[in-house]
Amino acid sequence: QSVLTQPPSASGTPGQRVTISCSGSSSNIGSNFVYWYQQLPGTAPKLLIYRNDQRPPGVPDRFSGSKSGTSASLAISGLRSEDEADYYCGAWDDSLSASVFGTGTKVTVL
Amino acid sequence: QLQLQESGPGLVKPSETLSLTCTVSRGSISVSDYHWGWIRQPPGKGLEWIGTVYYSGSTYNNPSLQSRVTISVDTSKKQFSLSLSSVTAADTAVYYCARQRYGDNKLYGLDIWGQGTTVTVSS
Repeated sequence: QSVLTQPPSASGTPGQRVTISCSGSSSNIGSNFVYWYQQLPGTAPKLLIYRNDQRPPGVPDRFSGSKSGTSASLAISGLRSEDEADYYCGAWDDSLSASVFGTGTKVTVL
Repeated sequence: QLQLQESGPGLVKPSETLSLTCTVSRGSISVSDYHWGWIRQPPGKGLEWIGTVYYSGSTYNNPSLQSRVTISVDTSKKQFSLSLSSVTAADTAVYYCARQRYGDNKLYGLDIWGQGTTVTVSS
């Protein structure tokens, strides 16, 4: 059972902006960094955003992250067909002393 | 670029122990800023964090699995391992190993992942 809640799906046409939410609590998102992972079909997850809003080298600036209180968001602007994937948020949970993932969001490019 | 590779049996019988190993290549396992972890993904479902081990042997574990999980490290072989006891069909999943940033008694992002290995629990 996931501690962080995401919408199961999101979609958009090429070029549109899509936003995915991640809702948590004071013990995880509220007091720790949020990370985002992209999982393309049939592959291992890849770190997409770290420390709330930082992009690793090689990640396009079309991807951006933000955090406010106990929620976080991932935005994909200029949506492309290759962005079709599952996206997961993650954070450390102080109460559990464990890492937790979001429920995951499937992004479809229409 | 550091690489991780999982290995182990693809089929485990119910009630037995699942054992997997992750080998680190093109880099060191004995680094102060990272833990080495396991994550799993049941078919068609989301990611579940299992736990991590530091090169010194200290660990963090998912409370929901803690009673059945052992994660260990062998620095001489640049390997870390997962043992999950008393498995059932619910433990059928793709198991990933990954490197996880560590600091201030917390874990941060998982920045390098193995390709994953499928484990099926069935008689």
